[in-house]
Amino acid sequence: GAVVSQHPSRVICKSGTSVKIECRSLDFQATTMFWYRQFPKQSLMLMATSNEGSKATYEQGVEKDKFLINHASLTLSTLTVTSAHPEDSSFYICSARDPSGGYERMYGYTFGSGTRLTVV
Amino acid sequence: AQSVTQPDIHITVSEGASLELRCNYSYGATPYLFWYVQSPGQGLQLLLKYFSGDTLVQGIKGFEAEFKRSQSSFNLRKPSVHWSDAAEYFCALGGFKTIFGAGTRLFVKA
Repeated sequence: GAVVSQHPSRVICKSGTSVKIECRSLDFQATTMFWYRQFPKQSLMLMATSNEGSKATYEQGVEKDKFLINHASLTLSTLTVTSAHPEDSSFYICSARDPSGGYERMYGYTFGSGTRLTVV
Repeated sequence: AQSVTQPDIHITVSEGASLELRCNYSYGATPYLFWYVQSPGQGLQLLLKYFSGDTLVQGIKGFEAEFKRSQSSFNLRKPSVHWSDAAEYFCALGGFKTIFGAGTRLFVKA
């Protein structure tokens, strides 16, 4: 149980275009999803927290107009990188919180497999 | 403030030797702690987790970790390392948000 699917796994786009990344919880309803960014050889940094049906909460220093997050349903959150530039090239990973089944499922988040974004 | 420290940026171990990866945390209450492994270009795989109870936690792939409250540590161990264990290892502190350590890159030499 508690599977999170993330697509695409890799994407290459031209500078100035927008890219959408999807994060889906396959067998549970995720009231909260998280988006992380990982630069090469670095740790994962939380970008934003998305709650179903409400606006995302962005971490300090993250441009909300560049990284648009939509959590329109209990099983899907999307991250759109708008007007992408080479410096946005990174590994993006989502995770989802399962509110059912006690605190182990609430706080033991499941991670997607990540999306490698390359902007050329 | 909540934080996770992994003191070792990288570690090299001979195949068959034992391994210990260090993790220290800062948190005011009982922590939820995790170890993840990441192979190059891949997502995160959960190795093990600690929420409460037995302080020695068994995980997948022969890994274990011991929670020591007095030392604020949650070190990862494996008695005999295999070449396939070479990867990046992240210790994480859970809660409403997950906070990751900087990671430790494990190299395995033949």
